[in-house]
Amino acid sequence: AQKITQTQPGMFVQEKEAVTLDCTYDTSDQSYGLFWYKQPSSGEMIFLIYQGSYDEQNATEGRYSLNFQKARKSANLVISASQLGDSAMYFCAMRVFIIQGAQKLVFGQGTRLTINP
Amino acid sequence: ETGVTQSPTHLIKTRGQQVTLRCSSQSGHNTVSWYQQALGQGPQFIFQYYREEENGRGNFPPRFSGLQFPNYSSELNVNALELDDSALYLCASSGGLARSSYNEQFFGPGTRLTVL
Repeated sequence: AQKITQTQPGMFVQEKEAVTLDCTYDTSDQSYGLFWYKQPSSGEMIFLIYQGSYDEQNATEGRYSLNFQKARKSANLVISASQLGDSAMYFCAMRVFIIQGAQKLVFGQGTRLTINP
Repeated sequence: ETGVTQSPTHLIKTRGQQVTLRCSSQSGHNTVSWYQQALGQGPQFIFQYYREEENGRGNFPPRFSGLQFPNYSSELNVNALELDDSALYLCASSGGLARSSYNEQFFGPGTRLTVL
């Protein structure tokens, strides 16, 4: 069964430090996609970064990078130079194909990141 | 901000009632997915609509139903509300079923439903 595991319920980091949020996944599919979303207290899911299973290079989007280790089935999010506005819940998710060509996202439990001034 | 909107923002219902939540997808997006996010949990997939038809469903009972309209906006209907239905309901739109389009999936701000 496809599953996402985030083992860090909460993380506390000083402003301007780098932070790594852990994500491991389980799938028997050869083709899959991995996502990271940020969810502030307002509730909206904000897309941060995407990594395809066949992408050879790690994805980067500004201060966000995804450390993709396929053999270990891990897709950790790295935020460089953290800012106070980065405080939020962070979810790792995997795209899963279901019947009739539909797709869904399977989410982990999330990590609450708090940036201290 | 994405172009996905949801209404209402908050809703309070009592057990046994029925509720309708609405979602307007981003312009040009013909696929809408609905998710339920209980407090402290990750979102759970309810179902997906593509070109006005349900084409995928998660592990939710039939009292969760939906519609998609010709303009690709969507409704989520929940009958016979239970206390455990209290959650944030998120909709997400994408440009189709192709893998590349699904990589661009945008979420709305959500509707927070409280069942008393």
